[in-house]
This record gives sequence, C-alpha cells and structure tokens, in this order.
Amino acid sequence: DTGVSQDPRHKITKRGQNVTFRCDPISEHNRLYWYRQTLGQGPEFLTYFQNEAQLEKSRLLSDRFSAERPKGSFSTLEIQRTEQGDSAMYLCASRSIAGAGNEQFFGPGTRLTVL
Amino acid sequence: DQQVKQNSPSLSVQEGRISILNCDYTNSMFDYFLWYKKYPAEGPTFLISISSIKDKNEDGRFTVFLNKSAKHLSLHIVPSQPGDSAVYFCAASGQYGNKLVFGAGTILRVKS
Repeated sequence: DTGVSQDPRHKITKRGQNVTFRCDPISEHNRLYWYRQTLGQGPEFLTYFQNEAQLEKSRLLSDRFSAERPKGSFSTLEIQRTEQGDSAMYLCASRSIAGAGNEQFFGPGTRLTVL
Repeated sequence: DQQVKQNSPSLSVQEGRISILNCDYTNSMFDYFLWYKKYPAEGPTFLISISSIKDKNEDGRFTVFLNKSAKHLSLHIVPSQPGDSAVYFCAASGQYGNKLVFGAGTILRVKS
C-alpha cells in the first residue's frame, strides 16, 4: 500500500497531556499538509510543508501546536497541554508539485479525544 | 467566514437516478475546485476536479460543472448506486495550489 499513512489511528488523552501524531506521505510527494476536522464540518487547514520547509501556518495553529518534517519525508504534529477543544480528527495529506492538478491525497486520520 | 458553502446538509436519492450536489464559493481568487468523498472512519478520497478555465469535467459516472459568474459548482452522479452513499465535500484552492478550503459537506444516501 503506497497511500498516506497516519499513526496512531485513535488517541485518548487527559486534558493537559502532550500528544504527538505521525504522518507518512506518499513517497514521491514533496508537499505535506495537516488539517483538522470536527463533527459536522469540513477539514480545516492547519499547516503545510514543502520538503522540510514549513511554508504556511493557519491562525488555528496556536502556540501549543507544533509540526515538523525534519528530513522532508514523514511529519509529526505535536499538541502540548491538550484541551477538550482539541478533540477532533487530524488529517494528513500529500501531493507532488510536479503533478498537473492540485489534488491532495489524504490519510485515514488520527481521532483525538481529550477527556 | 465560510468561503466555500454546501447549503444542503443531506440528500436522498433512489438508486439509478441522478444525484446533484451543489457548492457555492465567495473568493474569486479560487481557481481550482475538487470534490472528495468520505466514508466514516476514513480520510477523504479524491473524486474529481475542475480548473477555472473549464466549465465541465467528466469522469465516468461523475461530472463536475463550474459556473464562474455565479461562483457555483455542482457534482452530478449518474446513475447513483448504493455504494455512493457517503459524505461529499467540495473544496477550492488558490492560484498556487496550496491549502484546500472545504465546505461543510453533504450526506448523500442512495436508496436501493
């Protein structure tokens, strides 16, 4: 399977704890995106990388959130001091800028529940 | 501000008939539009897209129509099948193809 993978698929944590999610994009894709989806809404953009460079961050990405893509391959998203409002599905997507279209390919997501 | 709107939260269609899902946008800088399909507990799956230089794109049972003057696009599925039952998201991107801006989604139910 050469699609986007995310780990873990589910995470339950207590308020105030730190959590880290991992995303492995499609291997030849140089752009990697993080989105967050809450119930009844579409995915909302958080941040994106081109290779290892983080090129844009949404205002939704508070200072408790940090993302990295150290070698331009996999990426991690860390949330520090989690709050109940952080409960959501965190989605990762990737695409190649060499492609003709703007399609992004999504992973299965990580469902975060903050108790 | 909702730049991409899907005003119908749900749609129910009989198997074999046409499903029409609608989407409106407000940002005139959007130049690429996409439709994604999502099943529960899975990530969105890309279905079909259209560039702003076109007004129609077809792929099998799926056709997307773009009306730039009205800032409106629609997805037609014909014939509809029970396996098409899912949440459909409309998304848009700007000139440099960076972030996608999504609508809230429409739940499609195809009854057999």
